[in-house]
Amino acid sequence: DQQVKQNSPSLSVQEGRISILNCDYTNSMFDYFLWYKKYPAEGPTFLISISSIKDKNEDGRFTVFLNKSAKHLSLHIVPSQPGDSAVYFCAASGYNNAGNMLTFGGGTRLMVKP
Amino acid sequence: ETGVTQTPRHLVMGMTNKKSLKCEQHLGHNAMYWYKQSAKKPLELMFVYSLEERVENNSVPSRFSPECPNSSHLFLHLHTLQPEDSALYLCASSQGIRGWNEAFFGQGTRLTVV
Repeated sequence: DQQVKQNSPSLSVQEGRISILNCDYTNSMFDYFLWYKKYPAEGPTFLISISSIKDKNEDGRFTVFLNKSAKHLSLHIVPSQPGDSAVYFCAASGYNNAGNMLTFGGGTRLMVKP
Repeated sequence: ETGVTQTPRHLVMGMTNKKSLKCEQHLGHNAMYWYKQSAKKPLELMFVYSLEERVENNSVPSRFSPECPNSSHLFLHLHTLQPEDSALYLCASSQGIRGWNEAFFGQGTRLTVV
C-alpha cells in the first residue's frame, strides 16, 4: 500500500511558466514533508520542506503548499527554467513510521522546454 | 560534491557472485541508509543504521546483508541475487533518524544481475 503517491509520472512545461507538481498521502500521522530533486546518474538532493504546522513554505522560485484536510501537497516552481528538468520526489515522515524514516512517492519527471 | 560517496557506480554480476557496495559519508552524520530504486517504483527503504546500530530492516531478503563498521561507512553485501534485484541502490545519511533531518544521498550504484 503506497502511502505517498505522485499520480503524474511526467509533466512538460514551457520555460518561464509555472510548474506544479502534486503529491497525495494517506497517512494522517505524517507531520513533515520534503521534496527531493534527482538528475540522471545522481542521487536525490533535498529541495524544500514543510512542517504540518504550516501551510506554505517559500524558498526563491520554489514554494510548497500543504493542505492537511485533503492530505495533499504541491510544489510550485516559478518561473520554470530548463535546468529544473529532473525527477521530483515527494517524501513524508511521521510518528507511526518506525524510527520516523522517510516514505517516498514514485516521482514526477519534469521537462522544461526552452 | 554531496559528501556521500558510493562505489562502484555501476556493477554487473552473475546470480552466483558475491559482491559488496560501499558508501562513505564525510558529513559527520550519525545515521546511514540503504534505499533501492527500481524502475517505475518509489524509493524503497531497505536498511537504517543509527549510531552504527541497525534500527530498521524493511523485510529485505537475506541475500542482502548490510554492515556498518563505523558511523562514516556503510556496506551492502550481495550474494546469490536474482535478476529482479537489478536496480539503483542509493546510500543516504542524515543527522539523526527523524525524517526532518534532510537526508543526503550518494549518486547510487546501478546494479545489473545477469
